[in-house]
Amino acid sequence: QPVLTQPTSLSASPGASARFTCTLRSGINVATYSIYWYQQRPGSLPRYLLRYKSDSDMQQGSGVPSRFSGSKDASTNAGLLLISGLQSADEADYYCAIWYSSTWVFGGGTKLTVL
Amino acid sequence: EVQLVESGGGLVQPGGSLRLSCAASGFTFYNYWMSWVRQAPGKGLEWVANIKQDGGEIFYADSVKGRFTISRDNARNSLFLQMNSLRAEDTAVYYCVRDYPLDIWGQGTMVTVSS
Repeated sequence: QPVLTQPTSLSASPGASARFTCTLRSGINVATYSIYWYQQRPGSLPRYLLRYKSDSDMQQGSGVPSRFSGSKDASTNAGLLLISGLQSADEADYYCAIWYSSTWVFGGGTKLTVL
Repeated sequence: EVQLVESGGGLVQPGGSLRLSCAASGFTFYNYWMSWVRQAPGKGLEWVANIKQDGGEIFYADSVKGRFTISRDNARNSLFLQMNSLRAEDTAVYYCVRDYPLDIWGQGTMVTVSS
């Protein structure tokens, strides 16, 4: 079982909200880790969005709008990325990552389609 | 302007070697951990290695351990990746990334391992 699991795809309408999940493998407690989120538009390099550990320990990437936010769901052991007010420019792949056991681990990525 | 510029990619035969370089500018290079992250064509992100500010700590992904060597020259604001015993599965775009929290990414350099 992978360390981080992300759904392959997600679709939502312009102006709506999108909720991305990043589920940590059983035995790895989401409460212990900062969850990092990255956006990669087609043909572009990855862009750091934010880091979320808790409401009192989080960081927004430089120039990243506040409509991108992080959260956690302890009941499902998952980190969450929330995007409100979806725009066509948000169509991209979204990756989560954690620093785990002295390595960076990325999730497989979720492709967001805005239609 | 904060910038990372990779060079040294190209076509190499299986079993061959290649040395990637990354020139950093616009920030105090010796204050940061630095990473290499790669992305195979059409695939997700895979972390390769990182190195502490003074080079005193280094970590590698299992997939490259024993074959790749990361290093840095703080006097020249440069990061390097020596890649030996290259395999077809090492074919990817290699990104130089400012670490913790992987927030600044270079444009990447393509490495193709093929006969």
